[in-house]
Amino acid sequence: DQQVKQNSPSLSVQEGRISILNCDYTNSMFDYFLWYKKYPAEGPTFLISISSIKDKNEDGRFTVFLNKSAKHLSLHIVPSQPGDSAVYFCAANEGAQKLVFGQGTRLTINP
Amino acid sequence: KAGVTQTPRYLIKTRGQQVTLSCSPISGHRSVSWYQQTPGQGLQFLFEYFSETQRNKGNFPGRFSGRQFSNSRSEMNVSTLELGDSALYLCASSLAFGPAVSPLHFGNGTRLTVT
Repeated sequence: DQQVKQNSPSLSVQEGRISILNCDYTNSMFDYFLWYKKYPAEGPTFLISISSIKDKNEDGRFTVFLNKSAKHLSLHIVPSQPGDSAVYFCAANEGAQKLVFGQGTRLTINP
Repeated sequence: KAGVTQTPRYLIKTRGQQVTLSCSPISGHRSVSWYQQTPGQGLQFLFEYFSETQRNKGNFPGRFSGRQFSNSRSEMNVSTLELGDSALYLCASSLAFGPAVSPLHFGNGTRLTVT
């Protein structure tokens, strides 16, 4: 049972435009959500997070939106840069330090 | 500050063997978690240790075990290896309770291939 789903395995965006990565979850008990970015041959790197009591969190070019009623979150990257090309994972906190991850979306930024 | 260090980076084992993976967390981090990454399943939680105690365990068979030492270093062991155990094993460390306080910092992983 996949509690966190990223339905788009890949996304291609033009440099300078907005990248929007989506994530859906099923467990209403999740109280904290995170996005990680992963380059090949490296471990995931923490990007941005959001508490379930908020609906938006912004950090530079990255903004995460949370819609609790729809059990949906999204990551916006504006403007997209070539260095943003990576696999992006959304994750939900299930208590203590246990994270439930989505399957990832491969983002490619085209020059 | 050094990041999370995992050794070895690559391992090739045959079915039936056992393997031990090692993880050194970031200095000062007392929580260590292990995840398995496979192409079809994404990252799946194995277990988490804090102060030498296993606090949480994922849905993996008993062949997967771990431990944490007093210096917070952790090891993960897989016995009676199966072909399906081929994966990237990621270790992550953090300061304290909950990602809201301290997000996980991942190592670069150990790539295990079982033949």
